[in-house]
Amino acid sequence: SAVISQKPSRDICQRGTSLTIQCQVDSQVTMMFWYRQQPGQSLTLIATANQGSEATYESGFVIDKFPISRPNLTFSTLTVSNMSPEDSSIYLCSVPDGLILNEQFFGPGTRLTVL
Amino acid sequence: QKEVEQDPGPLSVPEGAIVSLNCTYSNSAFQYFMWYRQYSRKGPELLMYTYSSGNKEDGRFTAQVDKSSKYISLFIRDSQPSDSATYLCAMRSRDDKIIFGKGTRLHILP
Repeated sequence: SAVISQKPSRDICQRGTSLTIQCQVDSQVTMMFWYRQQPGQSLTLIATANQGSEATYESGFVIDKFPISRPNLTFSTLTVSNMSPEDSSIYLCSVPDGLILNEQFFGPGTRLTVL
Repeated sequence: QKEVEQDPGPLSVPEGAIVSLNCTYSNSAFQYFMWYRQYSRKGPELLMYTYSSGNKEDGRFTAQVDKSSKYISLFIRDSQPSDSATYLCAMRSRDDKIIFGKGTRLHILP
């Protein structure tokens, strides 16, 4: 199994500012995923971050709003740009288990509140 | 119609009772079915997964899939207060996209 840490664990931000969330994995992984979990909503995939290439964004999510970096095989960042209250959510990173296709390991999440 | 429907609850049951959690889905291309458990202020963790119709048992947990009805269930026997969490169903199709349900909040009352 993989151990994932995220920073910050929570933050309260002002409208119009940006926040960068860090995700650190204790092993090298090819793919990392960023999810959003809004209150009362499904866990929704934002993008897939591959080391050495541009992130792949899901429908409804764009790079200008959620730029992602993936400098190496154990680390990724997600920036939430020009925030509005609608961006208040829990943001989670995850990595797949290389052996069990359907398993993903999730970080503890970053709880973001935008005022 | 959303691809995956899951009643958000909350569902409160007394300790020792059998819990039944359910999801329905509309996409017949889903092949793999999973249940994740998420404790408060934690990320989801995989409980069970299956890819065929029928039952799969793991300790106190049983996952059931009925592909003809597009309906999956998770049963928890002898429920414990430590089972109190949000349970998310998830499904994956051939293109490897995983779709999650909204999650059902479960409270086991001591």
